[in-house]
Amino acid sequence: GNSVTQMEGPVTLSEEAFLTINCTYTATGYPSLFWYVQYPGEGLQLLLKATKADDKGSNKGFEATYRKETTSFHLEKGSVQVSDSAVYFCALRNSGGYQKVTFGIGTKLQVIP
Amino acid sequence: DAGITQSPRHKVTETGTPVTLRCHQTENHRYMYWYRQDPGHGLRLIHYSYGVKDTDKGEVSDGYSVSRSKTEDFLLTLESATSSQTSVYFCAISESQGVGAYEQYFGPGTRLTVT
Repeated sequence: GNSVTQMEGPVTLSEEAFLTINCTYTATGYPSLFWYVQYPGEGLQLLLKATKADDKGSNKGFEATYRKETTSFHLEKGSVQVSDSAVYFCALRNSGGYQKVTFGIGTKLQVIP
Repeated sequence: DAGITQSPRHKVTETGTPVTLRCHQTENHRYMYWYRQDPGHGLRLIHYSYGVKDTDKGEVSDGYSVSRSKTEDFLLTLESATSSQTSVYFCAISESQGVGAYEQYFGPGTRLTVT
């Protein structure tokens, strides 16, 4: 079956540091890949997505590239801010018919001033 | 923001009592989902619906039932709550399935505590 692997954290960084959150996946076929973000006390919201190999999703300074050869979708940001403190979820969804979304366990990011 | 509300937002209940959580959407999306979020497990799908009166089980459906009598409402019922059902419950909606990266939109969550 499908699975998504990411570290739980917390990841603690100083403001303006470089961020990488690793995500690897196992899936059949050609899944779509997502990063969702959850701010304290809120639901998840889509941060970025990619639908095919070598696609790069980007939003709010965050980027992730769909790497089929390494089955990875690592999240990066060049300079984090305190307001980026949140939990980040990697997720995948197979195409075709109904296919549920499989989420990773979420990585908590803490950015300190 | 997608129009999704959940009620109640917080609830404390006793073991053995029935509990119903409500999800309401104003987007007219076909698909609706109930997840639970627990530390170390991420989000796990409980049940989902692909239309009015059309529902199916997710990966952790034991002890839960759902109903969808209108497009906009999706109810999650715990027939007899247990302490293991203490969790944060999220409703989500999506526009379509099939080919394409259709994202899910999430509600604000319901924190349920079973004592």
